[in-house]
Amino acid sequence: EAGVAQSPRYKIIEKRQSVAFWCNPISGHATLYWYQQILGQGPKLLIQFQNNGVVDDSQLPKDRFSAERLKGVDSTLKIQPAKLEDSAVYLCASSLLGTSPNEQFFGPGTRLTVL
Amino acid sequence: GENVEQHPSTLSVQEGDSAVIKCTYSDSASNYFPWYKQELGKRPQLIIDIRSNVGEKKDQRIAVTLNKTAKHFSLHITETQPEDSAVYFCAASGYSTLTFGKGTMLLVSP
Repeated sequence: EAGVAQSPRYKIIEKRQSVAFWCNPISGHATLYWYQQILGQGPKLLIQFQNNGVVDDSQLPKDRFSAERLKGVDSTLKIQPAKLEDSAVYLCASSLLGTSPNEQFFGPGTRLTVL
Repeated sequence: GENVEQHPSTLSVQEGDSAVIKCTYSDSASNYFPWYKQELGKRPQLIIDIRSNVGEKKDQRIAVTLNKTAKHFSLHITETQPEDSAVYFCAASGYSTLTFGKGTMLLVSP
Protein backbone atom coordinates (compact mmCIF):
# COMPACT_ATOMS: atom_id res chain seq x y z
CA GLU A 1 0.00 0.00 0.00
CA ALA A 2 1.12 3.59 -0.54
CA GLY A 3 2.60 5.31 2.48
CA VAL A 4 2.00 8.75 3.94
CA ALA A 5 2.90 11.44 1.43
CA GLN A 6 4.18 14.90 2.31
CA SER A 7 5.24 17.93 0.32
CA PRO A 8 7.40 19.83 -0.04
CA ARG A 9 10.36 17.83 1.26
CA TYR A 10 12.43 20.94 1.94
CA LYS A 11 11.59 24.59 2.44
CA ILE A 12 13.77 27.58 3.22
CA ILE A 13 12.11 30.86 4.19
CA GLU A 14 12.99 34.03 5.99
CA LYS A 15 11.55 34.87 9.38
CA ARG A 16 8.15 36.53 9.33
CA GLN A 17 7.26 34.79 6.05
CA SER A 18 4.48 32.22 5.83
CA VAL A 19 4.71 28.59 4.79
CA ALA A 20 2.34 25.69 4.25
CA PHE A 21 2.87 21.94 4.33
CA TRP A 22 0.67 19.27 2.81
CA CYS A 23 -0.01 15.69 3.92
CA ASN A 24 -1.90 12.81 2.32
CA PRO A 25 -2.41 9.93 4.78
CA ILE A 26 -2.66 6.24 4.05
CA SER A 27 -6.03 5.43 2.48
CA GLY A 28 -8.58 4.49 5.13
CA HIS A 29 -6.68 5.99 8.05
CA ALA A 30 -9.13 8.18 9.95
CA THR A 31 -6.57 9.63 12.36
CA LEU A 32 -3.93 12.11 11.21
CA TYR A 33 -1.16 13.71 13.24
CA TRP A 34 1.25 16.58 12.73
CA TYR A 35 4.51 16.46 14.68
CA GLN A 36 7.39 18.90 15.02
CA GLN A 37 10.83 17.31 15.36
CA ILE A 38 13.60 19.67 16.32
CA LEU A 39 17.13 18.41 15.63
CA GLY A 40 18.26 16.00 18.33
CA GLN A 41 14.82 15.59 19.90
CA GLY A 42 11.86 13.27 19.62
CA PRO A 43 8.76 14.21 17.65
CA LYS A 44 6.37 16.51 19.50
CA LEU A 45 2.67 16.33 18.68
CA LEU A 46 1.24 19.58 17.36
CA ILE A 47 -2.26 18.49 16.40
CA GLN A 48 -4.31 15.31 16.00
CA PHE A 49 -7.34 14.94 13.75
CA GLN A 50 -9.94 12.21 13.77
CA ASN A 51 -11.62 12.40 10.37
CA ASN A 52 -12.04 16.18 10.00
CA GLY A 53 -12.36 16.99 13.71
CA VAL A 54 -9.58 18.09 16.06
CA VAL A 55 -8.87 15.65 18.91
CA ASP A 56 -5.85 17.35 20.48
CA ASP A 57 -4.21 20.67 19.64
CA SER A 58 -2.97 21.52 23.13
CA GLN A 59 0.65 21.96 21.97
CA LEU A 60 -0.09 23.90 18.79
CA PRO A 61 1.10 27.54 19.00
CA LYS A 62 -2.21 28.89 17.81
CA ASP A 63 -0.99 32.47 17.43
CA ARG A 64 1.08 31.40 14.43
CA PHE A 65 0.25 27.79 13.54
CA SER A 66 -2.97 26.54 11.97
CA ALA A 67 -4.03 23.23 10.49
CA GLU A 68 -7.04 21.88 8.71
CA ARG A 69 -8.38 18.63 7.34
CA LEU A 70 -11.52 19.79 5.60
CA LYS A 71 -12.66 16.59 3.87
CA GLY A 72 -11.23 14.16 6.39
CA VAL A 73 -8.41 13.05 4.08
CA ASP A 74 -5.60 15.48 3.14
CA SER A 75 -4.34 18.02 5.64
CA THR A 76 -2.39 21.26 5.55
CA LEU A 77 -0.30 22.84 8.29
CA LYS A 78 0.47 26.55 8.05
CA ILE A 79 2.89 28.79 9.89
CA GLN A 80 2.37 32.55 9.71
CA PRO A 81 4.58 34.36 10.54
CA ALA A 82 7.54 32.00 10.93
CA LYS A 83 10.17 32.43 13.63
CA LEU A 84 13.75 31.16 13.74
CA GLU A 85 12.79 28.56 16.35
CA ASP A 86 10.31 26.99 13.93
CA SER A 87 13.24 25.43 12.05
CA ALA A 88 12.54 21.71 12.32
CA VAL A 89 11.26 18.68 10.46
CA TYR A 90 7.48 18.57 10.29
CA LEU A 91 6.23 15.01 10.26
CA CYS A 92 2.78 13.86 9.32
CA ALA A 93 1.54 10.47 10.51
CA SER A 94 -1.67 8.50 10.18
CA SER A 95 -3.28 5.53 11.87
CA LEU A 96 -6.41 3.43 11.77
CA LEU A 97 -9.20 4.40 14.11
CA GLY A 98 -9.74 1.88 16.89
CA THR A 99 -10.71 1.42 20.51
CA SER A 100 -7.04 1.10 21.48
CA PRO A 101 -3.91 2.84 20.15
CA ASN A 102 -2.77 1.72 16.73
CA GLU A 103 0.55 1.93 14.93
CA GLN A 104 1.26 5.36 13.54
CA PHE A 105 2.81 5.45 10.08
CA PHE A 106 5.02 8.44 9.39
CA GLY A 107 5.60 10.37 6.20
CA PRO A 108 9.08 11.45 5.04
CA GLY A 109 8.70 14.87 6.64
CA THR A 110 9.25 18.45 5.49
CA ARG A 111 12.51 20.02 6.60
CA LEU A 112 11.90 23.72 7.29
CA THR A 113 14.75 26.17 7.65
CA VAL A 114 13.90 29.68 8.82
CA LEU A 115 16.64 32.25 8.20
CA GLY B 1 0.28 15.35 30.61
CA GLU B 2 2.53 12.40 29.92
CA ASN B 3 6.29 12.74 30.35
CA VAL B 4 8.71 10.17 28.93
CA GLU B 5 12.35 10.02 29.97
CA GLN B 6 14.82 7.98 27.88
CA HIS B 7 18.36 6.82 28.70
CA PRO B 8 21.09 6.74 27.58
CA SER B 9 21.22 9.51 24.99
CA THR B 10 24.12 7.77 23.21
CA LEU B 11 25.11 4.10 23.26
CA SER B 12 28.17 2.65 21.54
CA VAL B 13 28.60 -1.13 21.26
CA GLN B 14 30.69 -3.59 19.30
CA GLU B 15 29.04 -5.74 16.67
CA GLY B 16 27.57 -8.83 18.30
CA ASP B 17 27.09 -7.18 21.71
CA SER B 18 23.68 -6.53 23.26
CA ALA B 19 22.16 -3.06 23.64
CA VAL B 20 19.60 -1.93 26.20
CA ILE B 21 17.66 1.34 26.14
CA LYS B 22 15.44 2.32 29.06
CA CYS B 23 12.43 4.60 29.33
CA THR B 24 10.20 5.75 32.16
CA TYR B 25 6.75 7.31 31.89
CA SER B 26 4.68 9.35 34.28
CA ASP B 27 1.01 8.71 33.41
CA SER B 28 -0.27 5.46 34.91
CA ALA B 29 -3.14 5.54 32.38
CA SER B 30 -0.72 4.95 29.47
CA ASN B 31 -1.27 1.53 27.97
CA TYR B 32 0.61 1.43 24.67
CA PHE B 33 4.40 1.63 24.33
CA PRO B 34 5.93 1.61 20.83
CA TRP B 35 9.57 1.85 19.86
CA TYR B 36 10.59 3.63 16.67
CA LYS B 37 13.87 3.49 14.75
CA GLN B 38 14.93 6.56 12.79
CA GLU B 39 17.87 6.43 10.43
CA LEU B 40 19.59 9.67 9.50
CA GLY B 41 17.32 11.82 7.33
CA LYS B 42 14.55 9.24 7.24
CA ARG B 43 11.13 8.82 8.79
CA PRO B 44 10.59 7.04 12.14
CA GLN B 45 9.56 3.42 11.66
CA LEU B 46 7.93 1.16 14.23
CA ILE B 47 10.13 -1.78 15.22
CA ILE B 48 8.18 -3.24 18.13
CA ASP B 49 5.40 -2.27 20.50
CA ILE B 50 3.88 -3.58 23.71
CA ARG B 51 0.54 -3.07 25.42
CA SER B 52 0.00 -2.87 29.15
CA ASN B 53 -1.57 -6.31 29.43
CA VAL B 54 1.73 -7.93 28.40
CA GLY B 55 5.05 -7.95 30.30
CA GLU B 56 7.40 -8.92 27.48
CA LYS B 57 7.37 -9.23 23.71
CA LYS B 58 10.03 -10.59 21.35
CA ASP B 59 10.62 -10.32 17.64
CA GLN B 60 13.80 -12.07 16.50
CA ARG B 61 16.72 -10.04 17.93
CA ILE B 62 14.50 -7.38 19.48
CA ALA B 63 12.58 -7.59 22.75
CA VAL B 64 10.69 -5.12 24.88
CA THR B 65 9.87 -5.47 28.58
CA LEU B 66 7.30 -3.49 30.56
CA ASN B 67 7.06 -2.95 34.31
CA LYS B 68 3.74 -1.21 34.93
CA THR B 69 4.29 -0.90 38.68
CA ALA B 70 7.57 0.95 38.23
CA LYS B 71 6.33 2.68 35.06
CA HIS B 72 9.32 1.77 32.98
CA PHE B 73 9.94 -0.18 29.80
CA SER B 74 13.08 -1.24 27.99
CA LEU B 75 14.25 -2.19 24.51
CA HIS B 76 16.74 -5.03 24.20
CA ILE B 77 18.67 -5.71 20.99
CA THR B 78 20.82 -8.84 20.88
CA GLU B 79 23.61 -9.70 18.44
CA THR B 80 23.81 -6.11 17.23
CA GLN B 81 24.79 -5.43 13.63
CA PRO B 82 26.13 -2.25 11.99
CA GLU B 83 22.75 -1.75 10.30
CA ASP B 84 21.18 -1.38 13.76
CA SER B 85 22.95 1.98 14.02
CA ALA B 86 20.23 4.65 14.22
CA VAL B 87 18.31 6.78 16.70
CA TYR B 88 15.74 4.86 18.71
CA PHE B 89 12.71 6.56 20.28
CA CYS B 90 10.42 5.16 22.93
CA ALA B 91 6.90 6.51 23.29
CA ALA B 92 3.89 6.15 25.56
CA SER B 93 0.20 6.56 24.80
CA GLY B 94 -3.00 6.54 26.79
CA TYR B 95 -5.34 6.38 23.82
CA SER B 96 -3.78 7.57 20.60
CA THR B 97 -1.70 10.62 21.50
CA LEU B 98 1.94 9.54 21.60
CA THR B 99 4.53 11.22 23.81
CA PHE B 100 8.08 10.48 22.67
CA GLY B 101 11.33 10.29 24.56
CA LYS B 102 14.30 12.34 23.40
CA GLY B 103 15.94 9.43 21.63
CA THR B 104 19.02 7.22 21.93
CA MET B 105 21.69 7.25 19.25
CA LEU B 106 22.95 3.67 18.92
CA LEU B 107 26.32 3.23 17.24
CA VAL B 108 27.37 -0.32 16.36
CA SER B 109 31.02 -0.66 15.41
CA PRO B 110 32.14 -3.53 13.15
